[in-house]
Amino acid sequence: DQQVKQNSPSLSVQEGRISILNCDYTNSMFDYFLWYKKYPAEGPTFLISISSIKDKNEDGRFTVFLNKSAKHLSLHIVPSQPGDSAVYFCAASLQTGANNLFFGTGTRLTVIP
Amino acid sequence: NAGVTQTPKFRVLKTGQSMTLLCAQDMNHEYMYWYRQDPGMGLRLIHYSVGEGTTAKGEVPDGYNVSRLKKQNFLLGLESAAPSQTSVYFCASSRDGQETQYFGPGTRLLVL
Repeated sequence: DQQVKQNSPSLSVQEGRISILNCDYTNSMFDYFLWYKKYPAEGPTFLISISSIKDKNEDGRFTVFLNKSAKHLSLHIVPSQPGDSAVYFCAASLQTGANNLFFGTGTRLTVIP
Repeated sequence: NAGVTQTPKFRVLKTGQSMTLLCAQDMNHEYMYWYRQDPGMGLRLIHYSVGEGTTAKGEVPDGYNVSRLKKQNFLLGLESAAPSQTSVYFCASSRDGQETQYFGPGTRLLVL
């Protein structure tokens, strides 16, 4: 049973515009959320995270928003750049345990020059 | 500083063969993890370790064994490979249970 869901397999955005990637989760016990970026033939690389005590975290062009009541988080990339083209995975964890991550299925972002 | 490395990068096995995947990290991390990634699915945790000499089951442990004899290494074993184990395997490590996980480049395994 998929506890973390990314319902959009792909997204195309023009360079300079905003990219919005969405993620939903079902387990209300999750207290830490992360976004990973993955290029072909490489492992996922950490992008940005947010604790459940916050509703927003910003790092340069990347902002993650968390809506706990809706069990929804989103990643905003502004402005989008061609180098942002990759697969983005949302992940959630229970920090009180071994920090095991539960991943979504990923969204492939294509930024068109 | 190589981070997390995985050996081999690619392997083809016949059904019933055995093999061991090696993960090594040079960041002195306590926690290590093995995931598999299949088409249309996210990464799923196979086994993990919270320190040298310890291992625990993750979400999909059946058909796999692991060992953590040295802090820097985490081995994933397939005793009798099955076509259902065709996948891309990722190893990760973190300093502790509160910190970000860092991933290796992956091992692509094909079981015929």
